[in-house]
Amino acid sequence: EDQVTQSPEALRLQEGESSSLNCSYTVSGLRGLFWYRQDPGKGPEFLFTLYSAGEEKEKERLKATLTKKESFLHITAPKPEDSATYLCAVRGGANNLFFGTGTRLTVIP
Amino acid sequence: EAGVVQSPRYKIIEKKQPVAFWCNPISGHNTLYWYLQNLGQGPELLIRYENEEAVDDSQLPKDRFSAERLKGVDSTLKIQPAELGDSAVYLCASSFNPNTEAFFGQGTRLTVV
Repeated sequence: EDQVTQSPEALRLQEGESSSLNCSYTVSGLRGLFWYRQDPGKGPEFLFTLYSAGEEKEKERLKATLTKKESFLHITAPKPEDSATYLCAVRGGANNLFFGTGTRLTVIP
Repeated sequence: EAGVVQSPRYKIIEKKQPVAFWCNPISGHNTLYWYLQNLGQGPELLIRYENEEAVDDSQLPKDRFSAERLKGVDSTLKIQPAELGDSAVYLCASSFNPNTEAFFGQGTRLTVV
């Protein structure tokens, strides 16, 4: 059974304080790992797709990495506008997206 | 380019009443998903369509929920009758095919009273 565990559940950072969010997964036949950002009252916004271990993707202050068991979303020098819930999802052999419960990030000015 | 459009954005109904949600996916996207999201949780899949065919509806409570995607474009999700526990955000998403990233709409927040 596909399983995604995200940690921590919540994270408070000072502006400029870099950190990482973790997504551990168990899936039969990984066909992609996805990171989304979700702001309150809105739908998830697509950030990255990773397909194989060792792959990395970057976008502004965000960098996503992937191993065979987990993915990290590194946030470098975050700003208050980076505050959101970050969701991780995996696609396995059944081709469905299976989501974790997310990490709620708060960046304090 | 327009994203995934959902309506209504908010809906309040009394229990035992019917309700319907509508989704217009991104043009050219063949795969359409309906998800349910409870507060503080990640989205949970209800049903996935490939064109007009429902290829995975194993998590859809079929006694009260139904969905359709006529002509393989727009989709509707219906609940009849609604229960208090159905209060949640209903999200629609679409992707070009089942192997590509999915893009979400803003969701419909349902409150059953």
